[in-house]
Amino acid sequence: AQSVAQPEDQVNVAEGNPLTVKCTYSVSGNPYLFWYVQYPNRGLQFLLKYITGDNLVKGSYGFEAEFNKSQTSFHLKKPSALVSDSALYFCAVPGGGYQKVTFGTGTKLQVIP
Amino acid sequence: DSGVTQTPKHLITATGQRVTLRCSPRSGDLSVYWYQQSLDQGLQFLIQYYNGEERAKGNILERFSAQQFPDLHSELNLSSLELGDSALYFCASSVEQGGTYNEQFFGPGTRLTVL
Repeated sequence: AQSVAQPEDQVNVAEGNPLTVKCTYSVSGNPYLFWYVQYPNRGLQFLLKYITGDNLVKGSYGFEAEFNKSQTSFHLKKPSALVSDSALYFCAVPGGGYQKVTFGTGTKLQVIP
Repeated sequence: DSGVTQTPKHLITATGQRVTLRCSPRSGDLSVYWYQQSLDQGLQFLIQYYNGEERAKGNILERFSAQQFPDLHSELNLSSLELGDSALYFCASSVEQGGTYNEQFFGPGTRLTVL
């Protein structure tokens, strides 16, 4: 079964510092991986996805993610954190067939001014 | 704004009751997904419809059912409600059925409180 793990419930980072939100995956076959963000009292928003190709994927709001096959990881990164980046971040992996998606447990990112 | 609409925004009801949550997908999207988000269970996939047909089932209780209508809007019916059903219920939509994996667009959610 396809699965993702987010090992950190919360990540705190100072504004202006680089941030990393971790995700590891377990899939059979070629992995397709997604990151979504959920701001307070809002639905999830798509940030970026890895399908194939370059290991560094660029997405919305200055975020990027690095796919690492040997470490089965897909960490979300941003060079300089903003207070407005504070939100809940979900890593996700589609299942086989009809786009059933399994989400990680979520990581709360707190950017401190 | 994702283009996905959900009504109502909030719903407060009593145990044993039945409620219906409604979702309208983005224009042109044929797939609709329902999710439940609670503090203890996280974000759980419930069910997916594609162009009116059920395509995938997740952790959906037998007391819950859904359907997608010819105009592509979808309804999630929750019956014999229990306190533990209190949660945020999200609808999402995407373009395609399968093959290429497309991102999903989420609605703002319906917050259900069962008293």
